[in-house]
Amino acid sequence: DAGVIQSPRHEVTEMGQEVTLRCKPISGHDYLFWYRQTMMRGLELLIYFNNNVPIDDSGMPEDRFSAKMPNASFSTLKIQPSEPRDSAVYFCASSVGDEGNQPQHFGDGTRLSIL
Amino acid sequence: DAKTTQPPSMDCAEGRAANLPCNHSTISGNEYVYWYRQIHSQGPQYIIHGLKNNETNEMASLIITEDRKSSTLILPHATLRDTAVYYCIVRSFSGTYKYIFGTGTRLKVLA
Repeated sequence: DAGVIQSPRHEVTEMGQEVTLRCKPISGHDYLFWYRQTMMRGLELLIYFNNNVPIDDSGMPEDRFSAKMPNASFSTLKIQPSEPRDSAVYFCASSVGDEGNQPQHFGDGTRLSIL
Repeated sequence: DAKTTQPPSMDCAEGRAANLPCNHSTISGNEYVYWYRQIHSQGPQYIIHGLKNNETNEMASLIITEDRKSSTLILPHATLRDTAVYYCIVRSFSGTYKYIFGTGTRLKVLA
């Protein structure tokens, strides 16, 4: 079975440019999560969706960050304008149901470097 | 969510059992214990979870103490491919849906 698919795997761009990260969750999963991982802060939850609706975006660092989920099989995380401190690995995860005993399944991430 | 405490690193000989401890002394009755691992350059991989009883699956076993204040993840026959950072997470049964990842245990399996 296909897992969570993220693209691109690597992105290098210059400061000020717009960056769009993409995620395809596991089919049938109704929760989708965006995380960011850095050496300093570890793994942090940025935002999550339930049935394509954003539920909690309290982890989104600034207004430069936005996320959308236009349908059940696709989500984007956009940074505009990008800054060097946004460099990190961004993970997408999905799960089924809203019970605490449902594990999240992660993609392999997008490694973002802002020069 | 309760905080967890794990040793920063451990070594294990290939073929032997790897026992990774986790303390979660402030865990509540409705909070699950989850284990994930992260191999370099990959996303966190779900291993196992439990509430009160010990659990076993094809990857590992999870032993939870009777008072639920600590747990141990057991990889019965560690291989070189099990070298990774292992995260123990305590997660609420309802309400906030956040995993709070700590710094984990860096397990190195030695040939």
